[in-house]
Amino acid sequence: GQNIDQPTEMTATEGAIVQINCTYQTSGFNGLFWYQQHAGEAPTFLSYNVLDGLEEKGRFSSFLSRSKGYSYLLLKELQMKDSASYLCAVKAGSYQLTFGKGTKLSVIP
Amino acid sequence: DAGITQSPRHKVTETGTPVTLRCHQTENHRYMYWYRQDPGHGLRLIHYSYGVKDTDKGEVSDGYSVSRSKTEDFLLTLESATSSQTSVYFCATGTDENQPQHFGDGTRLSIL
Repeated sequence: GQNIDQPTEMTATEGAIVQINCTYQTSGFNGLFWYQQHAGEAPTFLSYNVLDGLEEKGRFSSFLSRSKGYSYLLLKELQMKDSASYLCAVKAGSYQLTFGKGTKLSVIP
Repeated sequence: DAGITQSPRHKVTETGTPVTLRCHQTENHRYMYWYRQDPGHGLRLIHYSYGVKDTDKGEVSDGYSVSRSKTEDFLLTLESATSSQTSVYFCATGTDENQPQHFGDGTRLSIL
């Protein structure tokens, strides 16, 4: 089986930096994805990590430690439009992704 | 982004009726997936397809069946809908197993 944990909710201030953590326990590991989902909309792809280390993409960065079963998504220079749910998803088998329950981020002025 | 169209976008139906949701893609992606999303559960995989006529079960497949007769269409059928199947259903596609999945806009299904 697989287990993915993320905080349920977080609040951060506009312009600040926020880190959203994801821990996972899987039998086998083939990569970790982060998705953003605004309320009432479809998830959209943010980042993909398969090797240990940091992947940077503009204001968003994602980190992976396979030995610790741990990833985080770092959002810099927060904007109001970053208010959304952030979904961590692990690929353990060949085709399937297993999603965490998501972290709802609220950005306040 | 992948051209993925889900239909209908909203549906209300009664317990015991059959329901079919359609996912249509224009990107020629090999892989297609059906998920449901419920509060407190996140996205859960129902069924997936890795090619025409090639499908397999996901985590929550009971009560659902799928068909993929051509690359662009993936149908999800609830043979006899139950209230527990009230949910938002998302279709996703992917080029290969290591690439990100792209999601359709979802179908909000209510079963009364």
